[in-house]
Amino acid sequence: DGGITQSPKYLFRKEGQNVTLSCEQNLNHDAMYWYRQDPGQGLRLIYYSQIVNDFQKGDIAEGYSVSREKKESFPLTVTSAQKNPTAFYLCASSRWSHPTEAFFGQGTRLTVV
Amino acid sequence: GQQLNQSPQSMFIQEGEDVSMNCTSSSIFNTWLWYKQDPGEGPVLLIALYKAGELTSNGRLTAQFGITRKDSFLNISASIPSDVGIYFCAGQTGRDAGGTSYGKLTFGQGTILTVHP
Repeated sequence: DGGITQSPKYLFRKEGQNVTLSCEQNLNHDAMYWYRQDPGQGLRLIYYSQIVNDFQKGDIAEGYSVSREKKESFPLTVTSAQKNPTAFYLCASSRWSHPTEAFFGQGTRLTVV
Repeated sequence: GQQLNQSPQSMFIQEGEDVSMNCTSSSIFNTWLWYKQDPGEGPVLLIALYKAGELTSNGRLTAQFGITRKDSFLNISASIPSDVGIYFCAGQTGRDAGGTSYGKLTFGQGTILTVHP
């Protein structure tokens, strides 16, 4: 089945540690996105990538880093520089075209302990 | 940057009532999408709109693409408890502003829907 997979579903991190969230898609989509969602809130764009080996900062990129070495994969690293990393992280993918539709993974809930 | 204003922020309704929510923007969008997010899950696409004035239904859901291309609304008729969740709108300009925003989607802040049995 085609889809977008995030792993793990739940992640615990000690303060001061970097952690990497996985996102893989087999939809042959060019574009991939990372969003952060805080409880009861909307989606805030962290980073997005239109094409392999290229990515742009979103609205809240500070304290995060990404890579796009393969079309299928867009991992997000939450660094120790991110002051408030506990949140629900969502990955999405879409065609980079018009019109387009984005499809989301199931999300990763990160908790800093 | 582009912003979508989604309202209301939250709604508390009785089972069986109809629901209406909308998104507005100061910019023109050429695609409107509506998503639903269940607690602890990723958003799921409900309806996609591609033409100004378009009215599209998906079961009890109806969405319209505003004629000015700056707004869209979603209606849910005869609500049921499983309609509970967060509803998001998303827009896409589709115009190639130097190739940096052609395919990018902008999301609204979401409407939290609670349905009382």
